[in-house]
Amino acid sequence: DARVTQTPRHKVTEMGQEVTMRCQPILGHNTVFWYRQTMMQGLELLAYFRNRAPLDDSGMPKDRFSAEMPDATLATLKIQPSEPRDSAVYFCASGLRLAGGNNEQFFGPGTRLTVL
Amino acid sequence: KNEVEQSPQNLTAQEGEFITINCSYSVGISALHWLQQHPGGGIVSLFMLSSGKKKHGRLIATINIQEKHSSLHITASHPRDSAVYICAVRSRETSGSRLTFGEGTQLTVNP
Repeated sequence: DARVTQTPRHKVTEMGQEVTMRCQPILGHNTVFWYRQTMMQGLELLAYFRNRAPLDDSGMPKDRFSAEMPDATLATLKIQPSEPRDSAVYFCASGLRLAGGNNEQFFGPGTRLTVL
Repeated sequence: KNEVEQSPQNLTAQEGEFITINCSYSVGISALHWLQQHPGGGIVSLFMLSSGKKKHGRLIATINIQEKHSSLHITASHPRDSAVYICAVRSRETSGSRLTFGEGTQLTVNP
């Protein structure tokens, strides 16, 4: 049963601390997305990768957020230093993008982050 | 004006009713997605459309590219259909796979 996994599922931390969220995409998928969901803004794209290369991270605050794919089975989203306004649910999604085609995205369960 | 607008924002129905959720968008698109977010927070992709109509069980999604409009229909609704339904589009103007999301429609189906 292939699915996207995310860890941790819940994280409570204090302002100023570093937060690292991890995502394991579905095996064989070549595109990975990081989304943030808040009550105020809804779902927003933070960054996405294709074949481990970052294609678009324009939605991400560059001064404190960073996203990487150290290998094809792991994507990370790091916040340093964290702030209360970063409190949100962070979703990872993966898909298989073929040349000239659209791809369906499969979402992970999300990481609920609370920054005190 | 948002690029993607959904209506209604909230919808309450009785079990068995036929439900329609609408999505309008203002940009040229290459694909439109319907997503379902359960009360527990998990997100499931229901449909990806670029034209016409798709059906899966009691769910039907249609899209009219000329009118920039899509609808999600649920036949014989059931309390387990209670969820937030989100429309998202991939714009032709932006490259790659970026999705722009609507604000979602909260559906409650009462027994």
